[in-house]
Amino acid sequence: NAGVTQTPKFQVLKTGQSMTLQCAQDMNHNSMYWYRQDPGMGLRLIYYSASEGTTDKGEVPNGYNVSRLNKREFSLRLESAAPSQTSVYFCASSDSRGREVGHFGDGTRLSIL
Amino acid sequence: AQRVTQPEKLLSVFKGAPVELKCNYSYSGSPELFWYVQYSRQRLQLLLRHISRESIKGFTADLNKGETSFHLKKPFAQEEDSAMYYCALSGYAGNMLTFGGGTRLMVKP
Repeated sequence: NAGVTQTPKFQVLKTGQSMTLQCAQDMNHNSMYWYRQDPGMGLRLIYYSASEGTTDKGEVPNGYNVSRLNKREFSLRLESAAPSQTSVYFCASSDSRGREVGHFGDGTRLSIL
Repeated sequence: AQRVTQPEKLLSVFKGAPVELKCNYSYSGSPELFWYVQYSRQRLQLLLRHISRESIKGFTADLNKGETSFHLKKPFAQEEDSAMYYCALSGYAGNMLTFGGGTRLMVKP
């Protein structure tokens, strides 16, 4: 079982470049999330999608856009990367029955120079 | 606003010693609290939830609403418990979790 799959695993960008982080889940979950993880700050929610066709801002949405392409896929886009967006990005999904987020991807380590 | 505080960034204990990872929260309603664990080179995974009152891998956590705490405890630490631990809170907004800053637990032989 793949669970939640993120690509790429590593990426280095220059300031101002754009890129899209891909995420897919094979568990038929309704809810999907994007978090960023920074030292000492835990995980902070960027955007989430409660169901196919809907997206909402989380705690730190500035500088990001998302697309819930279908029930399986939820992508995160950086239109103009900034050094402050250097972080580890995690995609996650949940079946919405409970209030926890049950399944995380392996993460994407993104460095912006 | 909801907030989760883990006051210790690093906790180092010897094998067999008791462990307590502290978590305090701020939330005006009735939250659900969780502990997540991330072992080296593995994905973040749910360890336990307060509503289940369960013990996982010997860990327990009790929600203390008076002290707004949800400390994670284990009576005898094992080397394989070494990992990053995150406390998280879910309020009314569905599955929107707020995470603490994390505590790295190191269990020395």
